[in-house]
Amino acid sequence: NAGVTQTPKFRILKIGQSMTLQCTQDMNHNYMYWYRQDPGMGLKLIYYSVGAGITDKGEVPNGYNVSRSTTEDFPLRLELAAPSQTSVYFCASSYSHSGNTIYFGEGSWLTVV
Amino acid sequence: AQSVTQLDSQVPVFEEAPVELRCNYSSSVSVYLFWYVQYPNQGLQLLLKYLSGSTLVESINGFEAEFNKSQTSFHLRKPSVHISDTAEYFCAVSEGQGAQKLVFGQGTRLTINP
Repeated sequence: NAGVTQTPKFRILKIGQSMTLQCTQDMNHNYMYWYRQDPGMGLKLIYYSVGAGITDKGEVPNGYNVSRSTTEDFPLRLELAAPSQTSVYFCASSYSHSGNTIYFGEGSWLTVV
Repeated sequence: AQSVTQLDSQVPVFEEAPVELRCNYSSSVSVYLFWYVQYPNQGLQLLLKYLSGSTLVESINGFEAEFNKSQTSFHLRKPSVHISDTAEYFCAVSEGQGAQKLVFGQGTRLTINP
């Protein structure tokens, strides 16, 4: 059982470049999330999705876009990379009811130079 | 709006000593409370959670946390730590209704010295 899988694990981007972080889960969860983790800080919610075709902004959505065409996949796109987007990104998923365990991927380390 | 404060950014302890990692939250509604653990270069894993019922919750590896509504706290404790408990620990809160969105504290790095 793979759980939540993120790719790539590491990436260096130049300022202004674009990229997509891929995320897929095989647990048939309807909720999916993207968080970012900055040094010494907790995780901040970027975007989340409650099901295919439905997405919504989290706490720090600026500079990012998401889509959810299938239950399994929830890619995160950075359109014009900025140094402030240097961070570790975590994709996660859960069943819908509040209180359910959220399962995290192993993270994607992104550096913008 | 909800917020979570972890009072200690780093906690060094000796092996087999007891430890307490402190967590306070603020929320205007009923909440669910969680502790997640992050081992080096890995994602977060659920350690334990409080949803309702008994205010003392336990994990399978000896950690426990107690929900204290009057003090808005959810401190994590272990009576005797092991080297393998070295990790970063995050307290998190979500509202008891609606979308499952967690608000995390800043994290506490637990370092176990032999």
